Parts: sequence; structure tokens; C-alpha cells
Amino acid sequence: RKEVEQDPGPFNVPEGATVAFNCTYSNSASQSFFWYRQDCRKEPKLLMSVYSSGNEDGRFTAQLNRASQYISLLIRDSKLSDSATYLCVVNRADMRFGAGTRLTVKP
Amino acid sequence: EAGVAQSPRYKIIEKRQSVAFWCNPISGHATLYWYQQILGQGPKLLIQFQNNGVVDDSQLPKDRFSAERLKGVDSTLKIQPAKLEDSAVYLCASSSGGLAKLFFGSGTQLSVL
Repeated sequence: RKEVEQDPGPFNVPEGATVAFNCTYSNSASQSFFWYRQDCRKEPKLLMSVYSSGNEDGRFTAQLNRASQYISLLIRDSKLSDSATYLCVVNRADMRFGAGTRLTVKP
Repeated sequence: EAGVAQSPRYKIIEKRQSVAFWCNPISGHATLYWYQQILGQGPKLLIQFQNNGVVDDSQLPKDRFSAERLKGVDSTLKIQPAKLEDSAVYLCASSSGGLAKLFFGSGTQLSVL
């Protein structure tokens, strides 16, 4: 079993749609969690950290369920510029990435 | 603030040749990571340094890959000899340590022919 598993995607959605990604992790000792965004042929960049109480940043909402060991990312009112690969990252003293979920937002 | 610097940006070599990548992290960042990202996959951790010590190299193919961070600042990653399956982007990242977020360099795209 992989340490970090994500929805394989790809997700193709129209502008304005709401889309959700899920991620599960295998190591219960994991301590911190992040979502990174990676544009084509670019390096990953931090989108947001994920806190136990859930957190929101504009159109983006992240949730963490430690009991079930999963993390989610919700994007509301999708924009064309949201098209990218979204990477789930789990930290237990080292940073482990999921395979990523590709999102394409279409006009 | 200067970001993570990596060089070269691109490298093309033939199989069985050697190659080296260089990374200079953000000033003051104690933790440095090397990742390998094969097209269509997520970054795979190769090695993590804390200052000049290795924290995790469990996924580093040690028969051909080596890395060092002698003075606890910049780092080099070497592949000798290269195989076709080493074709990937090699990403360097740094953080201030602990549970802090990562900052990535632009990566080195390696093509092994």
C-alpha cells in the first residue's frame, strides 16, 4: 500500500463547478498535512496547510480526518486558472507526496 | 528573499554516463530534500538532510545515486552510471525544519538516451 494515495483523476469540470479531491495516508504517526499545486512543467507550490479543525482560504477548503486518515480539498466556483495537478503531502518528519490529481477547468 | 537555486536546468546524457545536480537552499533553511519526479507521477523523496546529516535516504538507489551536503548549505546529487529509467525531473526543496512547508527550486530535467 502506498503511503499517500489520491484520487487518480483526471477531473474535467466546467467553470463555476465545485470539485473535491480526496487523499488517504497509511501512517497514523503523520503530523502535518498540506495541499500543493503543480502547474505543467513547473515546481510544486504550497496551496494550503491542512488543520484538524478544517480551514478555508477563499474558494478552497481543506479538511482532515485523523481517525479515518484522509484529507480532502474542496474547490468552489472553479476558475480556468485552477487547472493544475493537486498534490497531497503528508509529513511524519519527512515530506511524502501523493501521485497527484489533475484538474482541468473548461470554459 | 532568494529562493531555492538549482542547476543545470536541463541535462541530456547517454546511459552509463555520470551526471551531477547542484542545489542551494534558502538561506537559513536547515532541512534540504531531493525528490525525483517521473512524468505523470508525484515527487518521490530520494534523500533528506538536516544540516549536513542524512535523516532519510531509504528510497535512494545507493548503488548508483549519491548525495552530499558537506557544509550544511548547498548540496549535490550524483548519478553514476545513469540508466534510461532515471529520466525525470530532479527537484530540490528546503524548509526551516520540523513541520514547516517546503520551498522548491525549478528542478533539473534529466533525459537519459
